[in-house]
Amino acid sequence: DAGVIQSPRHEVTEMGQEVTLRCKPISGHNSLFWYRQTMMRGLELLIYFNNNVPIDDSGMPEDRFSAKMPNASFSTLKIQPSEPRDSAVYFCASSLSGNEQYFGPGTRLTVT
Amino acid sequence: QKEVEQDPGPLSVPEGAIVSLNCTYSNSAFQYFMWYRQYSRKGPELLMYTYSSGNKEDGRFTAQVDKSSKYISLFIRDSQPSDSATYLCAMRLYSGGGADGLTFGKGTHLIIQP
Repeated sequence: DAGVIQSPRHEVTEMGQEVTLRCKPISGHNSLFWYRQTMMRGLELLIYFNNNVPIDDSGMPEDRFSAKMPNASFSTLKIQPSEPRDSAVYFCASSLSGNEQYFGPGTRLTVT
Repeated sequence: QKEVEQDPGPLSVPEGAIVSLNCTYSNSAFQYFMWYRQYSRKGPELLMYTYSSGNKEDGRFTAQVDKSSKYISLFIRDSQPSDSATYLCAMRLYSGGGADGLTFGKGTHLIIQP
C-alpha cells in the first residue's frame, strides 16, 4: 500500500502567486481531509470530503483558499493569491472508517 | 480557552521509564479519542484510538479516557530512544457513522535519553 501521496513536498513561492497542492488518498478510502500545521496554532482541519462531496469547509481561513475533489483518487487545495501568513505544512489524510485517518508526508509551503 | 489542551513539553525521561502523556478537553460531546505520533518533518502516525471512557492496550502503549473529568492519557512502558517524537492527542464528535474532522492538541515533545 503506497499510503497517502502528496505533491509537491516543498513549495517556495512569492506573495501573490497561486499555489496548488495535490493529494492522492489511499485506494478504497472514501473520506479525505486537508489540515494545516503551524507552530502557533498546531494542526487544524481546513476542509473534508465524504464520497468526493465537501462536507465542512468552516476551517478554510479565507476565500483565497479553495479545495476540490473531482474523483475518488485526487484532491487539490489551491491558494490564490498566496500571502506570507499562509506559510505552513499542509497535510492530506484519508479514511475509511472515519476514526483511523492516515496522513500523508505533508507539503511544506513557504511564501516570501 | 482552546478545545483541547496539551502540555508542549519538552518531556525528557531516561530509557526504560514509564511515560505519561495527557490532554484535557472542554467539549463533552467528543466521543472518539486518538493518539498520533509525529517524527520531525513527517506526517502524524496513528497509534491508538478509543471510543468513550475506558482503557485500551496495544503492546507497550495504553490509552485511557476519563470522560467525567474530560481527561485522556497515553502511557508508554519500557520507553525506547526510538519513541522520541511529538505526541498529539486528537478527538472527534460522533456523526452517525460518517467521517468527521479531528480536533488536535498542539502536541507534547518527548525525549527518551539513552
